[in-house]
Amino acid sequence: KAGVTQTPRYLIKTRGQQVTLSCSPISGHRSVSWYQQTPGQGLQFLFEYFSETQRNKGNFPGRFSGRQFSNSRSEMNVSTLELGDSALYLCASSLERGGTGELFFGEGSRLTVL
Amino acid sequence: GENVEQHPSTLSVQEGDSAVIKCTYSDSASNYFPWYKQELGKRPQLIIDIRSNVGEKKDQRIAVTLNKTAKHFSLHITETQPEDSAVYFCAAPHTSNDYKLSFGAGTTVTVRA
Repeated sequence: KAGVTQTPRYLIKTRGQQVTLSCSPISGHRSVSWYQQTPGQGLQFLFEYFSETQRNKGNFPGRFSGRQFSNSRSEMNVSTLELGDSALYLCASSLERGGTGELFFGEGSRLTVL
Repeated sequence: GENVEQHPSTLSVQEGDSAVIKCTYSDSASNYFPWYKQELGKRPQLIIDIRSNVGEKKDQRIAVTLNKTAKHFSLHITETQPEDSAVYFCAAPHTSNDYKLSFGAGTTVTVRA
């Protein structure tokens, strides 16, 4: 069974640009959650999608958005990039709703904003 | 609030000794408490979890205890080995926010040979 796949794995952008990250969940998983990981800050929740609907959202500005497609694949977008957006972005899929069962993480997309 | 507090932030132990990491949560209705391990450069992976209907769960050298009254839960690693060196994260859902899962800040465990 293939694991969670995230693309791209690494990317470099400049301030003001936008970026789109993609996440393919494990087959059969309908929940996809996104987290931002920075040194010393742990895993900060961005949002969760379940059956193409955003179920909840973390405390991030509106520049961070996402969506989920009918095949459960998810994308997140960050517009007007800032230096502080440099981080590892992890997505995780699960059979059940987030917060109720095991999360399976992808390897992450490492974003560097110059 | 929606905080999950985790202590300590770093922990150094001699190989063979035990390690204990503690987390507190704020939502008294939380009912699921997972622990994730993230080795350097790798993705976080679930190592053990506990639901609120039990007070303790063991899996070989790791165990988790839950005190619902005090709203805290702990990870115990016995007979630590070098491969236990990693960052450990606790998490808890916030039932008032549609089960949003929040993570603690992480504990970096170093096992000294």
